[in-house]
Amino acid sequence: DAGITQSPRHKVTETGTPVTLRCHQTENHRYMYWYRQDPGHGLRLIHYSYGVKDTDKGEVSDGYSVSRSKTEDFLLTLESATSSQTSVYFCAISDGATEFFGPGTRLTVL
Amino acid sequence: DAKTTQPPSMDCAEGRAANLPCNHSTISGNEYVYWYRQIHSQGPQYIIHGLKNNETNEMASLIITEDRKSSTLILPHATLRDTAVYYCIVRGGYNQGGKLIFGQGTELSVKP
Repeated sequence: DAGITQSPRHKVTETGTPVTLRCHQTENHRYMYWYRQDPGHGLRLIHYSYGVKDTDKGEVSDGYSVSRSKTEDFLLTLESATSSQTSVYFCAISDGATEFFGPGTRLTVL
Repeated sequence: DAKTTQPPSMDCAEGRAANLPCNHSTISGNEYVYWYRQIHSQGPQYIIHGLKNNETNEMASLIITEDRKSSTLILPHATLRDTAVYYCIVRGGYNQGGKLIFGQGTELSVKP
């Protein structure tokens, strides 16, 4: 399996609080991605990164920001969490040919 | 990126070959066909991808028609652990900004 870890794996938070999810890779891959998965919608791309400090928006980016200050880390931040952001979040990395996914973070916003 | 059409569900007997079809009639010449699967609550797992030629690896075979408008993923000897949702995705190359766009996939149930 590709060397991808996500932290935390589970989190429960309250509406209005900031939340940061971390994706860490040991593969030195250039590309990194954040997806969310909800029943009835499948996986949807939130943000992605082409390299350090080089990020772009995906199809469902509203309410999310990202940062990548090091090759190995890609952070997803919810500035003020809402109940609609309750979801499972997956990070992925790519070597330029194939994307490999992390184990996911289950986030519940009450 | 071109859209794909897959049957919502399929059954397969354990030990038999599972053949999962995918239609992608609007695929363009520089787009690849990727297959991923997702076992309940886990992250999607890469299976195989191809451009024009048929491909085989330790997990599966990918058969792409000559006109590239459809493809079939073949799991040669399905086991209970192959029960999962299988996604067929068409994407452009990374240098063209191609990204994975997931549809609803095919839910494959392998039965004893």
